[in-house]
Amino acid sequence: AQSVTQLDSQVPVFEEAPVELRCNYSSSVSVYLFWYVQYPNQGLQLLLKYLSGSTLVKGINGFEAEFNKSQTSFHLRKPSVHISDTAEYFCAVSESGGYQKVTFGTGTKLQVIP
Amino acid sequence: SQTIHQWPATLVQPVGSPLSLECTVEGTSNPNLYWYRQAAGRGLQLLFYSVGIGQISSEVPQNLSASRPQDRQFILSSKKLLLSDSGFYLCAWKSFTQGFGGYTFGSGTRLTVV
Repeated sequence: AQSVTQLDSQVPVFEEAPVELRCNYSSSVSVYLFWYVQYPNQGLQLLLKYLSGSTLVKGINGFEAEFNKSQTSFHLRKPSVHISDTAEYFCAVSESGGYQKVTFGTGTKLQVIP
Repeated sequence: SQTIHQWPATLVQPVGSPLSLECTVEGTSNPNLYWYRQAAGRGLQLLFYSVGIGQISSEVPQNLSASRPQDRQFILSSKKLLLSDSGFYLCAWKSFTQGFGGYTFGSGTRLTVV
């Protein structure tokens, strides 16, 4: 079984400040990792994904995440946030083999303060 | 191009009434399809998934059912809605473009049971 923990339910940050959204996972097998963004009353949009290779993954809208296998983490970062980044962010994990069912975290609401 | 359509966008239904939410995918064949429910503060819960016509797997016991009458059509139903069925329902399609690509989500249906 696999699980995902997003430690912060809400993260307020001032505009142009850096932000880190934390994600930890547990799995007994190799995994793929994802970050999704959800704007109000919309579906989820894939921000970035880690499948293999370089542990630093760059995504859309200036976001990046680093896969740390020893700490079982996949934290999302952005060096300077904008008002338009206000949204809810979901971390997700999938086993790399088998049916590859995806498990989502409970989400982190990022509130960018002008 | 590959797209996923979900409707209606919002729905207000009385307790005890039936429900039918529809999801269709374009630009792909034999997709894996999923229904998720997002309740306030609880992240995404996988309700049903389907790997082909007529094949439905249920993840949690509940008041809802799903059907896949055509390759690219996935329907979520209920005979009698409960208050607890309120939430944001998302249809998703699993992409295998360039390897495992994560999910593509529809725009969601906001269901309020009154």
